[in-house]
Amino acid sequence: GEDVEQSLFLSVREGDSSVINCTYTDSSSTYLYWYKQEPGAGLQLLTYIFSNMDMKQDQRLTVLLNKKDKHLSLRIADTQTGDSAIYFCAESITDSWGKFQFGAGTQVVVTP
Amino acid sequence: EAGVAQSPRYKIIEKRQSVAFWCNPISGHATLYWYQQILGQGPKLLIQFQNNGVVDDSQLPKDRFSAERLKGVDSTLKIQPAKLEDSAVYLCASSSADRGTGELFFGEGSRLTVL
Repeated sequence: GEDVEQSLFLSVREGDSSVINCTYTDSSSTYLYWYKQEPGAGLQLLTYIFSNMDMKQDQRLTVLLNKKDKHLSLRIADTQTGDSAIYFCAESITDSWGKFQFGAGTQVVVTP
Repeated sequence: EAGVAQSPRYKIIEKRQSVAFWCNPISGHATLYWYQQILGQGPKLLIQFQNNGVVDDSQLPKDRFSAERLKGVDSTLKIQPAKLEDSAVYLCASSSADRGTGELFFGEGSRLTVL
């Protein structure tokens, strides 16, 4: 099974906020990432957070990191139809630099 | 800057046949990865190259999968013979040698269907 766990599906109305949650396993992970995958496309980095940070904000995106609980979340403010995609949480494995562990992805569907 | 290029985009073969996928990473990126993404799952690392050397191939089914990166640039992933469970999207990714954020840049993937 996946070492990085995510909920599989989220439905949100246009204009509302979306919150996608993730739990990870490697407490020594250096970076944690959120990737976005649109249909028929590869993964694209949305944002990342360094493990010594609690929060990072980037325009409509807010990442919260709770190291004690190994919990990562991504909040998308004012969700738009173009935000409909699959969102993957990933951790970089510190003892194997450059090795990433991905979750199964959360499919976000934005309805008008 | 050109992104990660992969070909073919789609391939349909019958079980026990062979297939090869090609990847051209972003210029100057030392690290190249092949991931397998089965429908409904996250990408799973198959093999990681640093220049032309293998860093990690622990998840590669070596009885049927092989990969090479002979000149430290392009890479080829081969499956022979294919099984039904190999149906997946094969994603190539690259990253620079600078540790930085370790960001992976992905290609659009090669979708394999094994009948």
